[in-house]
Amino acid sequence: GAGVSQSPSNKVTEKGKDVELRCDPISGHTALYWYRQSLGQGLEFLIYFQGNSAPDKSGLPSDRFSAERTGGSVSTLTIQRTQQEDSAVYLCASSPSSGVGYNEQFFGPGTRLTVL
Amino acid sequence: AQSVTQPDIHITVSEGASLELRCNYSYGATPYLFWYVQSPGQGLQLLLKYFSGDTLVQGIKGFEAEFKRSQSSFNLRKPSVHWSDAAVYLCAVVTTGGFKTIFGAGTRLFVKA
Repeated sequence: GAGVSQSPSNKVTEKGKDVELRCDPISGHTALYWYRQSLGQGLEFLIYFQGNSAPDKSGLPSDRFSAERTGGSVSTLTIQRTQQEDSAVYLCASSPSSGVGYNEQFFGPGTRLTVL
Repeated sequence: AQSVTQPDIHITVSEGASLELRCNYSYGATPYLFWYVQSPGQGLQLLLKYFSGDTLVQGIKGFEAEFKRSQSSFNLRKPSVHWSDAAVYLCAVVTTGGFKTIFGAGTRLFVKA
C-alpha cells in the first residue's frame, strides 16, 4: 500500500521567502507528526496532530512556523520569512492513533529545505 | 525533562562481528522505547519497541534490545553484522500521552569488510 508521501522532495529558497511543505499520511492514520533533522543531528519534534487538532505545538521553533491539517488527512507546514538556520530535512510521520498503544510511526522520505 | 542520549556518534565494526549500540534515557515514568534505523534512500524504519513485560525484545533484521531500568538503558544488539546494516540508528522515547517522541542524536554504523 501507499506510504507517507511528502512534497516537494527538495526545496531551495532565498532567505526571507515563505515556504510550504506538504505531507500526505497513510490513509486512515489519525495521528500525524512533523520533525526537523538538521545536518548530523537527531530528529527534533515540531508538532503533532490528532485528527485536525494540534494538542502540542511546543516544538515549533518560532512563530514563523505554523502547521495545519485538513480533513484529518493532508498536512502543510509553513515557514514564513525563512532563515538560513531553517535549512534541514523536514520529516513527516503518521500512525494509526496516539495515546495508549504508542503505535509505530511511519515516516515519509522527507523534504530537504535549503535556504540561501 | 525527558531526554535520550546516544553516547557514540559513530561506530565501526567488521562484517560478521557483534554489535552493541548504547542508548540511555531520562524519564520519570515507565518509558516506551523505540529503535529506528535510517538508511539512505529508505527513510526511517522501526526496528523494535519496548512497552512492558519481557525486558529483552526482538526486532527485525536480527536485532534485539534489552531494557534495563536500573541503568536507564535500552541498548541495541546484533550478534553478527552484515554490510547492509551500515546506517544511522536512532533511539527514541515516547512521553506521557503517547504522542511526543524524543529522539537521540543517532549513532552512525560503519561496517568494514
